[in-house]
Amino acid sequence: AQSVTQPDIHITVSEGASLELRCNYSYGATPYLFWYVQSPGQGLQLLLKYFSGDTLVQGIKGFEAEFKRSQSSFNLRKPSVHWSDAAEYFCAVGANYGQNFVFGPGTRLSVLP
Amino acid sequence: DAGVIQSPRHEVTEMGQEVTLRCKPISGHNSLFWYRQTMMRGLELLIYFNNNVPIDDSGMPEDRFSAKMPNASFSTLKIQPSEPRDSAVYFCASRRRDRGQMNTEAFFGQGTRLTVV
Repeated sequence: AQSVTQPDIHITVSEGASLELRCNYSYGATPYLFWYVQSPGQGLQLLLKYFSGDTLVQGIKGFEAEFKRSQSSFNLRKPSVHWSDAAEYFCAVGANYGQNFVFGPGTRLSVLP
Repeated sequence: DAGVIQSPRHEVTEMGQEVTLRCKPISGHNSLFWYRQTMMRGLELLIYFNNNVPIDDSGMPEDRFSAKMPNASFSTLKIQPSEPRDSAVYFCASRRRDRGQMNTEAFFGQGTRLTVV
């Protein structure tokens, strides 16, 4: 069975600073990886996904993530954070041809003005 | 498409009452998921359906919880009787799963915030 860890429960960065949110997964085969964002009182919105091919994937809102098989990681990055990026971020892994998604515990991002 | 639609958005009920949460998935999607989100336990998968058939309900907390999907465009999650510890945000999500195709992302509804007093 697949699993996901997000080591950072809460991260605070200043507006304009760079950001990296960590995600590590455990799965025996090729994983399908996702990052979702949840603003307060809202549902989850997909930021980006990795299925195959280029290990650096671009998403919405200026986010990108890099898949590193050797490290079982799929870290999310943004070069310059905006105050509107303050939210909860979830990493998820889906099994090949599977029917389920497993979500990490989430990382809450706070942005200082 | 309007996306995944959940109703009600907010529900306050008294302990012991029956609660029914509703979900309309995106048209054409054939997998549906119910999640529960709390501060303590994060996002938990309760049950998921494929082509209206329940595939895995191992996440359903106990017999007080039940879910149905009578057709491709509607699902319900029922709690009877409700208890204060059931207070949480309940999300419904759907996705299109095609045989032999790579995995696709799930689309989430706005959630139902349930408060049991």
